[in-house]
Amino acid sequence: GNSVTQMEGPVTLSEEAFLTINCTYTATGYPSLFWYVQYPGEGLQLLLKATKADDKGSNKGFEATYRKETTSFHLEKGSVQVSDSAVYFCALVQANAGGTSYGKLTFGQGTILTVHP
Amino acid sequence: GAGVSQSPRYKVAKRGQDVALRCDPISGHVSLFWYQQALGQGPEFLTYFQNEAQLDKSGLPSDRFFAERPEGSVSTLKIQRTQQEDSAVYLCASRTNRDTEPRKPNEQFFGPGTRLTVL
Repeated sequence: GNSVTQMEGPVTLSEEAFLTINCTYTATGYPSLFWYVQYPGEGLQLLLKATKADDKGSNKGFEATYRKETTSFHLEKGSVQVSDSAVYFCALVQANAGGTSYGKLTFGQGTILTVHP
Repeated sequence: GAGVSQSPRYKVAKRGQDVALRCDPISGHVSLFWYQQALGQGPEFLTYFQNEAQLDKSGLPSDRFFAERPEGSVSTLKIQRTQQEDSAVYLCASRTNRDTEPRKPNEQFFGPGTRLTVL
């Protein structure tokens, strides 16, 4: 079945540090890949996504590139801020045989990021 | 417009009680999902509705779990005879429709969740 594995946290960084959160996946076919973020006290929000190999998703200074050869979708940001402190989830949606999917998400276990001033 | 709302936000139940969790999706969203998020884990799929039809309930952990969406909008997740292992955050998400929002196909919008604690 499908699965997503994220680097174990928590991750603690100083402001303006470089961030990488690793994510690898197992799926058949060509899934779409996502990063969701959960800020304290809030619901899950889509951060970025990529729908095919070599696509780069980006938003709010975060980037992730869909690497089919390594089945990875690592999240990066060049300079983190205190406001980036949150839980980050990597996820995938399995594409069905027709190339579309009703969109059931499979999530990783989440990585807690804490950024100190 | 309004996002996905869920109620109650917190629910404490004694073991053996029945509970009902409500989800109000974004107006016009055809697709609705329920997920269960245990402490320190990622959300796990429970069930999926397209309008009022429950097309996938493969993630429901036992026959004590039941979901419905009778008019294709509001959905209720019911858990009968709650057990301690049912303690989790229950998330609802509704999804954009490719036909009505082609610039954001298949994006799921999540509610804040209901935190269920079974004592």
